[in-house]
Amino acid sequence: GAVVSQHPSWVICKSGTSVKIECRSLDFQATTMFWYRQFPKQSLMLMATSNEGSKATYEQGVEKDKFLINHASLTLSTLTVTSAHPEDSSFYICSTGKPTPTLNTEAFFGQGTRLTVV
Amino acid sequence: AQSVTQPDIHITVSEGASLELRCNYSYGATPYLFWYVQSPGQGLQLLLKYFSGDTLVQGIKGFEAEFKRSQSSFNLRKPSVHWSDAAEYFCAVSYSGGYQKVTFGTGTKLQVIP
Repeated sequence: GAVVSQHPSWVICKSGTSVKIECRSLDFQATTMFWYRQFPKQSLMLMATSNEGSKATYEQGVEKDKFLINHASLTLSTLTVTSAHPEDSSFYICSTGKPTPTLNTEAFFGQGTRLTVV
Repeated sequence: AQSVTQPDIHITVSEGASLELRCNYSYGATPYLFWYVQSPGQGLQLLLKYFSGDTLVQGIKGFEAEFKRSQSSFNLRKPSVHWSDAAEYFCAVSYSGGYQKVTFGTGTKLQVIP
């Protein structure tokens, strides 16, 4: 079964509104979760690292005030796209992994969220 | 910065034919290497991974990949392609740990013709 659950699967919103995407770790506590974005016909690009109980770390070029990340519990991280514009339309996907001493574990990805801003 | 190159954007093969998808990664001491598959509008499914040990790794759906450190490559292979294999394939690498800060290649779209 799914290890990471992402909700919603798709969302359409009006330009200027905000959208919240949830990412839940179902099988283990996730102190770190990752948010990626995939534009049409492109690869996935890491946007930010979500850290439980502390501020997220954003990759270069990603606006932290636009993409608000909250990781308030060990099983839930949320990404809020604020004041969304059509150029924010994309496929957003989260991931996490089960921490092990050797780091020998792969990332588990959510199902992704298709955001369309009209 | 870590990077992954997938030189083939689009590949077309006949059903039953063999397949090889190429992947090169930027040099790093201990790469964690992955191949993921993505069907249209879907999330990512892990096909296989390499962390250490045997350089030929077996994955799901009959896929395998070989890690060649000297060539910084991690090519994906399948001896006989099925129509259901049509999808987009992403090679990925991480140096921070298996699941942390994964860098993806640009993807190879596989088309399978009857």
